[in-house]
Amino acid sequence: EVQLLDSGGGLVQPGGSLRLSCSASGFTFRNYDMSWVRQAPGKGLEWVSVISGSGGSTDDADSVKGRFAISRDNSKNMVYLQMSGLRAEDTAVYYCARIRRDFYESSGYYYFFDFWGQGTLVTVSS
Amino acid sequence: DIQMTQSPSTLSASVGDRVTITCRANESIITWLAWYQQKPGKAPKLLIYKASTLETGVPSRFSGSGSGTEFTLTISSLQPDDFATYYCQQYKSFWEWTFGQGTKVEIK
Repeated sequence: EVQLLDSGGGLVQPGGSLRLSCSASGFTFRNYDMSWVRQAPGKGLEWVSVISGSGGSTDDADSVKGRFAISRDNSKNMVYLQMSGLRAEDTAVYYCARIRRDFYESSGYYYFFDFWGQGTLVTVSS
Repeated sequence: DIQMTQSPSTLSASVGDRVTITCRANESIITWLAWYQQKPGKAPKLLIYKASTLETGVPSRFSGSGSGTEFTLTISSLQPDDFATYYCQQYKSFWEWTFGQGTKVEIK
């Protein structure tokens, strides 16, 4: 059974830092790209960061670029989100998500989220 | 960036009703669209991908259709467990994802 367990959230002051963790089990972790998606209170979903299965490639949403960094440790089946320069607008529940890669003969590879962690709340406030 | 717009934002319905949610993209995403269900305090759950392919284990009362810029999620007979918020998400381009703002299905 696929399981993703998010942790590390909490209350942090504006300008502060926090590291989120996601522990994965039930699948061959290194074979999957992984991502973080966030949801501000009462709002919709926003993709934040993504990392390739090997950890060699990453990308971030413009809203967090230069402030957040995603990483992974395939020996521990863990993915991390290091957040710095936190702002009030970063307040959200952060979800770790597994990315499924589907191949279509005529179109190539396409990527979407198929399993999500339970989320961890980050509150940025003084 | 591809923008996704869902309608309605809130939908009131009764058990047994047929429910339809619409999702529109501001440019063609062909059929690269997923639908998710989210219950309060819980993580989103994948229901449908490639616009109309039902994820394993999802009840057959859920169906998706559409292509290009307009898509629909239909629940053929609403069940008590289906009251939730539903999100569409496009995945046309490599590592670029955007979600609709969500549609809350509430009890009438």
